Amino acid sequence: GAGVSQSPRYKVTKRGQDVTLRCDPISSHATLYWYQQALGQGPEFLTYFNYEAQPDKSGLPSDRFSAERPEGSISTLTIQRTEQRDSAMYRCASSLRLAGGETQYFGPGTRLLVL
Amino acid sequence: AQTVTQSQPEMSVQEAETVTLSCTYDTSESDYYLFWYKQPPSRQMILVIRQEAYKQQNATENRFSVNFQKAAKSFSLKISDSQLGDAAMYFCAYKGGGSNYKLTFGKGTLLTVNP
Repeated sequence: GAGVSQSPRYKVTKRGQDVTLRCDPISSHATLYWYQQALGQGPEFLTYFNYEAQPDKSGLPSDRFSAERPEGSISTLTIQRTEQRDSAMYRCASSLRLAGGETQYFGPGTRLLVL
Repeated sequence: AQTVTQSQPEMSVQEAETVTLSCTYDTSESDYYLFWYKQPPSRQMILVIRQEAYKQQNATENRFSVNFQKAAKSFSLKISDSQLGDAAMYFCAYKGGGSNYKLTFGKGTLLTVNP
C-alpha cells in the first residue's frame, strides 16, 4: 500500500476485555515496529518484527501484551484483560529493512480508551 | 541507554517568521541517526527531516533545516517562513546505527503559529 495503515482508528473497551489492533505496513517493508504513546509523551518502543521473526519483546509492558506477524506482512497487537493504564495511542511503523539508517514510517495510530 | 531531551514544552511563532526547536541527546555511540517528526492535530506522525551522524553537512528539506552539533550532542530544527500548517507537536528522535532498531523520542515541543 501507499502508506502504513492501522485499524481500528479508535477503540473503546471496558476493563478486563481483550482487544486486538491491526497494522498493515508498506508492502515492500520487511521490518515492522509497535510503539505506545501516552498522552503528552513521545512514542515508546514495544516490539518489532523482521519479516516473521520477533527478536525483541522487551518493551512490552506485561505478559498481557502480545504481537504477531505470521506471514511477514500484517501484524496484530493483542492486549488481554485490559486495564485503564493501557489507554494510549498505539502506533505501528515500518521500514524497508532492518538497518541502522532506515527511516521508520508511521501509521495513523489506534487510540485505545479503557473504561 | 540513550536519552533525548526537548527542553521547550511549547513554542510560538508568527506566520512567516523563523523558529528554532531545541533537542539534545545523550549517547556513547559514534554511529547514529537523528530525526524530527511532526504530529499535527490529526495525530499522524510525519517525518520532517533526518540527519546521519557521520555527515558533517546539516540536512535541509525546503523550509526545514537542522543545526547538528555532534560534539555538543545537539540537534535543533529551524523552520523558516512559518506557515499555519506547521502548527503541530514536534518530536526529536534518536536511532542507533548498525543493528539498532528502536527510535527513542523526546517528549515533544508544541508549536503554535500565530496569524
